[in-house]
Amino acid sequence: GESVGLHLPTLSVQEGDNSIINCAYSNSASDYFIWYKQESGKGPQFIIDIRSNMDKRQGQRVTVLLNKTVKHLSLQIAATQPGDSAVYFCAEAWLRGGKLIFGQGTELSVKP
Amino acid sequence: GAGVSQSPRYKVAKRGQDVALRCDPISGHVSLFWYQQALGQGPEFLTYFQNEAQLDKSGLPSDRFFAERPEGSVSTLKIQRTQQEDSAVYLCASSLAPGRKNTGELFFGEGSRLTVL
Repeated sequence: GESVGLHLPTLSVQEGDNSIINCAYSNSASDYFIWYKQESGKGPQFIIDIRSNMDKRQGQRVTVLLNKTVKHLSLQIAATQPGDSAVYFCAEAWLRGGKLIFGQGTELSVKP
Repeated sequence: GAGVSQSPRYKVAKRGQDVALRCDPISGHVSLFWYQQALGQGPEFLTYFQNEAQLDKSGLPSDRFFAERPEGSVSTLKIQRTQQEDSAVYLCASSLAPGRKNTGELFFGEGSRLTVL
């Protein structure tokens, strides 16, 4: 079946370091990928997205990389801050619309 | 409103009770989604509306689950004869357009936490 999974369930980094969160997806038909951040007791918050015709997209302190050859997605957070501590989910979808399929999540813990 | 609003935020039900969870999407948003999130897990898709039409209900786990959006705005997720395995956070999300060519953001509410005793 379709699935999106994460390599690392937890990640602990020092404040100021860069963080890399990885994700593997299985559905080669997906053409749209999104990263969400979820803080405790809140709903997921959109971070950044990327279409399948791109391999890199940058936002403010975040970069998403897409490797379609190995069906791998990563989220890089530069100069990680304590406020970045949360669970991060990748999700796959289709540009035409419809549901998102979420992975299991990686908990990012930032040590001051 | 400014964001997606869900109510109640917390609901405790006895096994066998019926519950109704409400979602007020962002005004003007065409698409509306319901997700179920168990503790420590990613959100699992339940159902999807485009305006008042329920286009995908493939994620509803049983016929005890029912969702509606009669006027294409507010949506209600109803769970009949609740069971302990229904305990989860139920997330509602909305987006402006049916597709994602111009805007990809799906805005989530804070969820309704259901505990079935």
